Amino acid sequence: DGGITQSPKYLFRKEGQNVTLSCEQNLNHDAMYWYRQDPGQGLRLIYYSQIVNDFQKGDIAEGYSVSREKKESFPLTVTSAQKNPTAFYLCASIAPGWNYGYTFGSGTRLTVV
Amino acid sequence: AQKITQTQPGMFVQEKEAVTLDCTYDTSDQSYGLFWYKQPSSGEMIFLIYQGSYDEQNATEGRYSLNFQKARKSANLVISASQLGDSAMYFCAMRETDSNYQLIWGAGTKLIIKP
Repeated sequence: DGGITQSPKYLFRKEGQNVTLSCEQNLNHDAMYWYRQDPGQGLRLIYYSQIVNDFQKGDIAEGYSVSREKKESFPLTVTSAQKNPTAFYLCASIAPGWNYGYTFGSGTRLTVV
Repeated sequence: AQKITQTQPGMFVQEKEAVTLDCTYDTSDQSYGLFWYKQPSSGEMIFLIYQGSYDEQNATEGRYSLNFQKARKSANLVISASQLGDSAMYFCAMRETDSNYQLIWGAGTKLIIKP
């Protein structure tokens, strides 16, 4: 079955450490997105990519970086510059077409220890 | 200004009753799309229903329907015959023209179905 795989499900980060969240899709979707969700809040866009080797900042890109070397993969690195990284991170992709919603991964819960 | 407003932070509903989750939106675009997603406690986001701004009929998907009132800029989700498995967070989202397929999200409504 096609879908989006996010790993790991839980991740613990020490202060000053960079960590990378994996997102892989086998849906052949061009566009991929990273969202951050804090408790009791909606989703906020971190980065998105519409094509390989190209990506754009979203609303809260500071302290994060991404790459898109392959269509299937869109990893997110949470750098030490992100001062409050504890959150739930969701990766999504979308098929072309106006009426299609996102397909989401199951998320990664990142905690600073 | 908030583009998507969900005014109900939480709701309790008796099992088998119908429930309406409110969503109002703000856009100056003529062409836009509205989405509802369900997020169970496990965290994944599940697409429920879509309504296009030019759609004349209200969208329906099984027990889900969207009460679209364009003049009032509201897109309420109606769940008929609620079930215990409907307990979850529900998010309303909007896509505007030239948005690069990005969605703008509301803060969500936590729905709890009581047995």
